[in-house]
Amino acid sequence: KNEVEQSPQNLTAQEGEFITINCSYSVGISALHWLQQHPGGGIVSLFMLSSGKKKHGRLIATINIQEKHSSLHITASHPRDSAVYICAVYANDMRFGAGTRLTVKP
Amino acid sequence: GAGVSQSPSNKVTEKGKDVELRCDPISGHTALYWYRQSLGQGLEFLIYFQGNSAPDKSGLPSDRFSAERTGGSVSTLTIQRTQQEDSAVYLCASSFRTGTYEQYFGPGTRLTVT
Repeated sequence: KNEVEQSPQNLTAQEGEFITINCSYSVGISALHWLQQHPGGGIVSLFMLSSGKKKHGRLIATINIQEKHSSLHITASHPRDSAVYICAVYANDMRFGAGTRLTVKP
Repeated sequence: GAGVSQSPSNKVTEKGKDVELRCDPISGHTALYWYRQSLGQGLEFLIYFQGNSAPDKSGLPSDRFSAERTGGSVSTLTIQRTQQEDSAVYLCASSFRTGTYEQYFGPGTRLTVT
C-alpha cells in the first residue's frame, strides 16, 4: 500500500463545477503539499499545509492531521484548471501520491 | 526574480555513458531537492541538501547516482553508466529550508537513454 493515496485518479468535470480531490497518508508528517503539474510538465506548488485550511483564489486546501487526510477543492472550475494535481507529504523526505488528472470541459 | 533553473532542458545519451544534470536554486534557498518522474509515473524523491549538512541520499536508486552541491548553491546530479531505465524527467526544487517551507520547482531535464 502506498504511503500517500489520492483519489480519484482521473476526474472529468464541466466548467463551473465544484471539484474535490482527496489525499490520505499513513505516515507522520510535518507538512503536506499540493502541487499542480501542467500538460507541459512544469510543476507549481499550490499550497503547503501543516494544519487547518488555506485559500487562494478559487482553490481551497484543508488538512485533518488526526485523520491523516487532506482535500483540495476548486470552486467554479475552468478549463485552464486542467492539470495533474499531486499530493506530497514531507516526513524527513518527500513522498508523493500518484496524482489526479483533472480535465475541465468548456 | 529568477526561479529555479536547470540545464540542459533535454539530454539524449547512449547507454553506458555518464551524464551530468545541473540545478541553480533560488538565491538564498538553503534546501535543494532532486526528484525523478519516469514516463507515466509519479514523482520520486532522490536526494536533498540542507545547507552544509550531509545530504539525505536515501532516495537514490543505485550507486550509479550521485549528487553534489558546491558552495551551498548550484547542484549537479551525476548518473554513471546510464541505463535505459534512467530515462525520465529529473526535477530540481529549492526552498528556504527543509521542512515546512514551500518548494519551488525548476522546469526539469528530460533525459533519454538510447
